[in-house]
Amino acid sequence: KAGVTQTPRYLIKTRGQQVTLSCSPISGHRSVSWYQQTPGQGLQFLFEYFSETQRNKGNFPGRFSGRQFSNSRSEMNVSTLELGDSALYLCASSLGQGRPTGELFFGEGSRLTVL
Amino acid sequence: SQQGEEDPQALSIQEGENATMNCSYKTSINNLQWYRQNSGRGLVHLILIRSNEREKHSGRLRVTLDTSKKSSSLLITASRAADTASYFCANYGGSQGNLIFGKGTKLSVKP
Repeated sequence: KAGVTQTPRYLIKTRGQQVTLSCSPISGHRSVSWYQQTPGQGLQFLFEYFSETQRNKGNFPGRFSGRQFSNSRSEMNVSTLELGDSALYLCASSLGQGRPTGELFFGEGSRLTVL
Repeated sequence: SQQGEEDPQALSIQEGENATMNCSYKTSINNLQWYRQNSGRGLVHLILIRSNEREKHSGRLRVTLDTSKKSSSLLITASRAADTASYFCANYGGSQGNLIFGKGTKLSVKP
């Protein structure tokens, strides 16, 4: 079974631009969660999607958004990029029949650098 | 903050020694997990301990849970250089029901 796939792996943007990151979950997994990882704040929860609906959201500004498609693939978008958005963005999937209670399966992450 | 606190932040040991990391939360403990992350890579799930369990083993890993203290510890026995990584605890406690991670312990195992 293929694991969680995130694209792109690395990208560089400038302040004010926007970025879209993609995540393909493990086949059969319907829940996709996104996390931001920085040296200062650690792993911070962004949002979780299940069956194309945002089920849970962390404390991030509205510049951070996401969506999930009918095939469970998910994208997250960050608009009007700021220097502080430089981070490793991690996607994780799970079966997610109810609220997640078990193991999450993570992708390798998308490393975003904002100049 | 709902974020877990991990201790120590960094740990350097010799191959063959044991490594112990601790984690505590201010919120209730619910299906506490430990993950490993090699530098700049994704997280890999190591072990999950349920709230009604006190100890769990998996290979060279031993996890304990004290729900009254809202804390857990991860013991890696007979460490190897390949165990060098960051280790994170994660808990489903909290109002939003999402997995909340600790700040991590950076383990360095010297050959």
